[in-house]
Amino acid sequence: ILNVEQSPQSLHVQEGDSTNFTCSFPSSNFYALHWYRWETAKSPEALFVMTLNGDEKKKGRISATLNTKEGYSYLYIKGSQPEDSATYLCAPYFGNEKLTFGTGTRLTIIP
Amino acid sequence: DSGVTQTPKHLITATGQRVTLRCSPRSGDLSVYWYQQSLDQGLQFLIHYYNGEERAKGNILERFSAQQFPDLHSELNLSSLELGDSALYFCASSGSRGGEGDFGPGTRLTVL
Repeated sequence: ILNVEQSPQSLHVQEGDSTNFTCSFPSSNFYALHWYRWETAKSPEALFVMTLNGDEKKKGRISATLNTKEGYSYLYIKGSQPEDSATYLCAPYFGNEKLTFGTGTRLTIIP
Repeated sequence: DSGVTQTPKHLITATGQRVTLRCSPRSGDLSVYWYQQSLDQGLQFLIHYYNGEERAKGNILERFSAQQFPDLHSELNLSSLELGDSALYFCASSGSRGGEGDFGPGTRLTVL
């Protein structure tokens, strides 16, 4: 069983503040790391996919970094807005034709 | 809209019954992944089909089975249903076998 951990489990952030959270995963047999955003009553939506150590991806105010040697990824949100409220899921891929999802970080932005 | 469709949207049934959930992948996608999301649990991978062939299996119960048809739609069959099978079931489709995919809207199954 692959252990994918996300922390914190939940987070409340004031609108306008920046925040970040972590995804930890086994570093062996690593192929790629996916980040998804999952809004309430919707389906998970792909944010980023990263493969190389040191990769950095950005989409608007959201960015992510990847460290494959130590097995972690950070997701950053700059200047949080109410529409950023969602659960953020990471899912590493180990070449076995399936993703292993973490339990997610539930982010709530306080207006 | 991801282009992935799932039917039905909601399903309420009784323990011991059998149900079939349907997923139509986005046009051109050959891979279909099925996931289960139970209360307080993350997304659990169930099974992956690629062009009609089973490619990967997760912790899928023996009471559950799936198949992918020649037109690439997939069905997840759940039998001898138990209360604990109540969950949101998602499928995702992709053009590759790399695990990732775009998610459908999900089917919420309630077992009473």
